[in-house]
Amino acid sequence: QKEVEQDPGPLSVPEGAIVSLNCTYSNSAFQYFMWYRQYSRKGPELLMYTYSSGNKEDGRFTAQVDKSSKYISLFIRDSQPSDSATYLCAMSANRGSTLGRLYFGRGTQLTVWP
Amino acid sequence: DSGVTQTPKHLITATGQRVTLRCSPRSGDLSVYWYQQSLDQGLQFLIQYYNGEERAKGNILERFSAQQFPDLHSELNLSSLELGDSALYFCASSAETGGQDEQYFGPGTRLTVT
Repeated sequence: QKEVEQDPGPLSVPEGAIVSLNCTYSNSAFQYFMWYRQYSRKGPELLMYTYSSGNKEDGRFTAQVDKSSKYISLFIRDSQPSDSATYLCAMSANRGSTLGRLYFGRGTQLTVWP
Repeated sequence: DSGVTQTPKHLITATGQRVTLRCSPRSGDLSVYWYQQSLDQGLQFLIQYYNGEERAKGNILERFSAQQFPDLHSELNLSSLELGDSALYFCASSAETGGQDEQYFGPGTRLTVT
């Protein structure tokens, strides 16, 4: 079992839809949770960063972390064609020899059509 | 633009050869991370350096090595290249070395081994 699981999609939605992206994980040491957006063959761009459980909102994006279920989500409201990209969840631990390294999901490919 | 730079953008080389990938972190960042992204494995952590010292190792092959120089730029050396080494190689940087630090990715180097 991979430490981070993410449905690769693809996910195709009409413009204006609410998009929900999710990841599950198995390592209880993970405390920091991130979402990256990656346009085709470009470098991942940090979208959201959260610590421990709870919600964080930034414009049209909301990140949720439920540590009890080992489940994280990213919601995109009023989705736009420019949101079409691959979304990667990532997480890191707060202790241990691997402190600082990121563990990534495989990414979900999202297409928002006009 | 994340502020992380990588050169070259593209590299095409033959099996058995050796190449060097270069990364300059964001101004003020002390940690550099190397990741490999392939279609079948997703984004995989290779190695981390912090202020010139190796900090953590992931699934890095013995044919690969890295170093971080006093000016904090880093190089990833790949030798005895095989077809399976063809991938995108990303460098990321963060201010410190903890799991709480946000990592910013460079644009990547696309390596093709023929």
